[in-house]
Amino acid sequence: GNSVTQMEGPVTLSEEAFLTINCTYTATGYPSLFWYVQYPGEGLQLLLKATKADDKGSNKGFEATYRKETTSFHLEKGSVQVSDSAVYFCALSGDNFGNEKLTFGTGTRLTIIP
Amino acid sequence: EAGVAQSPRYKIIEKRQSVAFWCNPISGHATLYWYQQILGQGPKLLIQFQNNGVVDDSQLPKDRFSAERLKGVDSTLKIQPAKLEDSAVYLCASRTPDGYQETQYFGPGTRLLVL
Repeated sequence: GNSVTQMEGPVTLSEEAFLTINCTYTATGYPSLFWYVQYPGEGLQLLLKATKADDKGSNKGFEATYRKETTSFHLEKGSVQVSDSAVYFCALSGDNFGNEKLTFGTGTRLTIIP
Repeated sequence: EAGVAQSPRYKIIEKRQSVAFWCNPISGHATLYWYQQILGQGPKLLIQFQNNGVVDDSQLPKDRFSAERLKGVDSTLKIQPAKLEDSAVYLCASRTPDGYQETQYFGPGTRLLVL
């Protein structure tokens, strides 16, 4: 079945540092890939997505590229801010009817210190 | 545009009691999901509806969990009787029926504590 392996946390960085959160996946077919973010006390929000190989999703300075050859979708940001502190989830969705559910990684808690 | 609404936001019950959660998806979103998120884990799908029909309930513990979406809009998830291990956040999500590539929009969740 589908699965997502995500970088263990927690991750603590200083403001303006470079961020990478690793995500690899196992899936049949051609899934779509997502990064969701959960800010303290809030629900899950879509951060970015990519629907086919070599697509790059980007939002709020975050980027991730769908790499089919390495089955990866690593999240990056060049300069993090305190407001980026949150839990980040990598997820994939299947590519056929009846297998569309999102399969999530375990989440990576990110804390940015001033 | 209003987001996905859920209620209640918090619930504390004793084990063996029953509890129900309500979800109102985004208007026009025919596909609705219920997820269970245990502390420290990613959300896990419990059930998926397309309009008022069930598409996937393979991970729903049917001996105690039930869900319905009678008119293809609002949905209710029920647990009866609850166990300690049901303590989790229950998330409702919806999306348009245009396909699996479409974004799922999540509600704020209902945090359940079973004592």
